[in-house]
Amino acid sequence: EAQVTQNPRYLITVTGKKLTVTCSQNMNHEYMSWYRQDPGLGLRQIYYSMNVEVTDKGDVPEGYKVSRKEKRNFPLILESPSPNQTSLYFCASSTTGLQPQHFGDGTRLSIL
Amino acid sequence: AQKITQTQPGMFVQEKEAVTLDCTYDTSDQSYGLFWYKQPSSGEMIFLIYQGSYDEQNATEGRYSLNFQKARKSANLVISASQLGDSAMYFCAMREAFYNQGGKLIFGQGTELSVKP
Repeated sequence: EAQVTQNPRYLITVTGKKLTVTCSQNMNHEYMSWYRQDPGLGLRQIYYSMNVEVTDKGDVPEGYKVSRKEKRNFPLILESPSPNQTSLYFCASSTTGLQPQHFGDGTRLSIL
Repeated sequence: AQKITQTQPGMFVQEKEAVTLDCTYDTSDQSYGLFWYKQPSSGEMIFLIYQGSYDEQNATEGRYSLNFQKARKSANLVISASQLGDSAMYFCAMREAFYNQGGKLIFGQGTELSVKP
């Protein structure tokens, strides 16, 4: 089954404790992206990757890191999480061009 | 600037009836994609339907159809024969060329649809 898999689905943690949200897709997509969704602010892009070893900042990259060492994986790293990073996070993937982006099930992150 | 507008924050529909969710967009690009996503209360983002800017026919996927009026820059979602499981938030989104942050999705603010039995 074609899918984007994110882990964990839910995480409660404390300020400053490094964490990684994993994302993996099995559709051989070149393009992968991270979004965060916040009430009143909608969905905003954090980082994106056009292919292996090619990553770039989105609209709200501060406080986040990513890597794309393999085509299927695109982890999101919070080196020193803060409460303002409490949010619902989505990983998405697609072919390049104008095709639909397929989303993972989301990660609800709470930072105390 | 690119923009998606959904003017209906919330809508009610009776089960088995059809409903139209409105979406207008603004872009100066000739080539773009338009999408609708469904987000149930459980939180996942489910892709429903896609319309390319050069597609001459309106897209359809089962009970979903996209009423694409290019000159008016509108891309309304029509759900036929509503079901209780259709109750969710619906987002209209647009994707432009790769030079815009790799073709990021630009989302509207969403319409919350409630289906009444």
